[in-house]
Amino acid sequence: QKEVEQNSGPLSVPEGAIASLNCTYSDRGSQSFFWYRQYSGKSPELIMSIYSNGDKEDGRFTAQLNKASQYVSLLIRDSQPSDSATYLCAAYNDYKLSFGAGTTVTVRA
Amino acid sequence: DAGVIQSPRHEVTEMGQEVTLRCKPISGHDYLFWYRQTMMRGLELLIYFNNNVPIDDSGMPEDRFSAKMPNASFSTLKIQPSEPRDSAVYFCASSLSAGGVDNEQFFGPGTRLTVL
Repeated sequence: QKEVEQNSGPLSVPEGAIASLNCTYSDRGSQSFFWYRQYSGKSPELIMSIYSNGDKEDGRFTAQLNKASQYVSLLIRDSQPSDSATYLCAAYNDYKLSFGAGTTVTVRA
Repeated sequence: DAGVIQSPRHEVTEMGQEVTLRCKPISGHDYLFWYRQTMMRGLELLIYFNNNVPIDDSGMPEDRFSAKMPNASFSTLKIQPSEPRDSAVYFCASSLSAGGVDNEQFFGPGTRLTVL
């Protein structure tokens, strides 16, 4: 079992809709969590980090963390075609990041 | 800041050849990470350095792989001899620190390695 699991994709949403991405992790010692966006052929780019239980909002993005359930999510509101990418969830522990396999999101115009 | 710099961006080589990938981290960052990304295995950490010292190389697949960081601004990942299964995108990343809000890792553009 991978340390970080993400909901299988691909995920297709219409423009303007909400895209919901989920992630679970197995290591309870994980201290912080990150969402990276990766466009095809490009490197991962950090879009959100979350350290405490609850919600964290940044523009159209909202990250949610529930450490008791070992669950992290990312909501993308008002999805745009430019949001079409693979989203990687990562858990941080012991100076290292463990990445999930990623969920590919396609926003259809 | 120029960001993390990697070279070459693309490398095509034949099985058995030596391959050297290079990375320049962001100035002032104390941590440097080497990752490998494939469709089958996703993004995997190979090794990371703190202040030029290798800390954890448990992700290095086998003895054919080696990494060095001779100074704060340069690191290499070497594969000798290379095999077709080493074909992947290799990313270098750096971070300011390992704790708190400064542990964000910034990725370089990657090196796409193809071993024929």
